[in-house]
Amino acid sequence: KNEVEQSPQNLTAQEGEFITINCSYSVGISALHWLQQHPGGGIVSLFMLSSGKKKHGRLIATINIQEKHSSLHITASHPRDSAVYICAANFGNEKLTFGTGTRLTIIP
Amino acid sequence: EAGVAQSPRYKIIEKRQSVAFWCNPISGHATLYWYQQILGQGPKLLIQFQNNGVVDDSQLPKDRFSAERLKGVDSTLKIQPAKLEDSAVYLCASSIRPSGQGNIQYFGAGTRLSVL
Repeated sequence: KNEVEQSPQNLTAQEGEFITINCSYSVGISALHWLQQHPGGGIVSLFMLSSGKKKHGRLIATINIQEKHSSLHITASHPRDSAVYICAANFGNEKLTFGTGTRLTIIP
Repeated sequence: EAGVAQSPRYKIIEKRQSVAFWCNPISGHATLYWYQQILGQGPKLLIQFQNNGVVDDSQLPKDRFSAERLKGVDSTLKIQPAKLEDSAVYLCASSIRPSGQGNIQYFGAGTRLSVL
């Protein structure tokens, strides 16, 4: 069964802290996506990766294919980073399977 | 570049009523998706269109939900009649090609439906 699991479900941190959100998946994938959802519903795609590491500003996404695991890191976290971060995977077909999300709250 | 447009943003109806949502994807995007996101859960794909044809509607409750994309551009999703458990955010997304080919999906702001 194609499954995507995220941890933690909720994460609260102080401004400036280094943040790590984890994602594991059940079987081989063709691509792994990290998405950001702010209150109100809109979703923004942050990264799509199939191997290695990608960086955009203070955000870094890594994936380990052998361990079926991906991480999203945020350096120098800021209150505006507060959102729900969702991991999603393409299990070889066209449909994205989504995790349940990690609710991140950064306290000033 | 304009993003994915959805309307309305919010809708409140009573159970057994009908409701329709509209989506206009990014220009040139052949693939359009409708998702249902219940509070506290990840989005669930309801239907995927490739141009004006249906690629996947395996999770669409066809006894009450219907969707169309007649001209291969904008799309409507209808619920008739609505049930309490249909309360959710309905997200529309589009991509240049199907997501499995490594293409990013661009999401609209969603329509928040409350069924009373």
